[in-house]
Amino acid sequence: DIQMTQSPSTLSASVGDRVIITCRASQSVSYWLAWYQVKPGKAPKVLIHKASVLQSGVPSRFSGSGSGTEFTLTISSLQPDDFATYYCQQYSNYAVYTFAQGTKLDI
Amino acid sequence: EVQLVESGGGLVQPGGSLRLSCAASGVTLSNLWMSWIRQVPGKGLEWVANIKEDGSEKYYGDSVKGRFTVSRDNAKNSLYLQMNSLRAEDTAVYYCGRREFWGQGTQVTVSS
Repeated sequence: DIQMTQSPSTLSASVGDRVIITCRASQSVSYWLAWYQVKPGKAPKVLIHKASVLQSGVPSRFSGSGSGTEFTLTISSLQPDDFATYYCQQYSNYAVYTFAQGTKLDI
Repeated sequence: EVQLVESGGGLVQPGGSLRLSCAASGVTLSNLWMSWIRQVPGKGLEWVANIKEDGSEKYYGDSVKGRFTVSRDNAKNSLYLQMNSLRAEDTAVYYCGRREFWGQGTQVTVSS
């Protein structure tokens, strides 16, 4: 199975900072990679799909890049609402999806 | 507006069973692959199962394979997850959905 690894596991930042989260796959997933934001008690919210496509309604300060095995999520200027946990997920094959362990972004 | 509402969660003893349901509105599920995922309290997201549009293909995560069964009723625009031989480590909030939309989740607690 494909393993997904995110770094860092935790990240402390301030409002206005530029933040980059990295996701690595153990084998190529092409561009079948999504980024989610999760807040306590809330359903996961997709931010980016197909590695770099911004989900409708998501602020443009979020961006994704990469393909194959290396991906990044960038938040260009952190806002108070952005403090949450972020996960990448590969969905290259319907037979197995995989989430990484997540990155907790706090103040 | 797309809305998915999960139900059927609760407290169950180890070895017991539960059936989760997911009712959809604002979207026609019959055209979509659908998924179940879960989040263990204080831990990460875990993919549980996928089911094809017509139910002809089903896939499961290793931790639930052989114990959980995903199904769907497109006439009722609904998705189901039958969970048998439940273990303490299955305690989690379970979500139905797909990438673009997820329900609000239902809590499953396995404890004696």
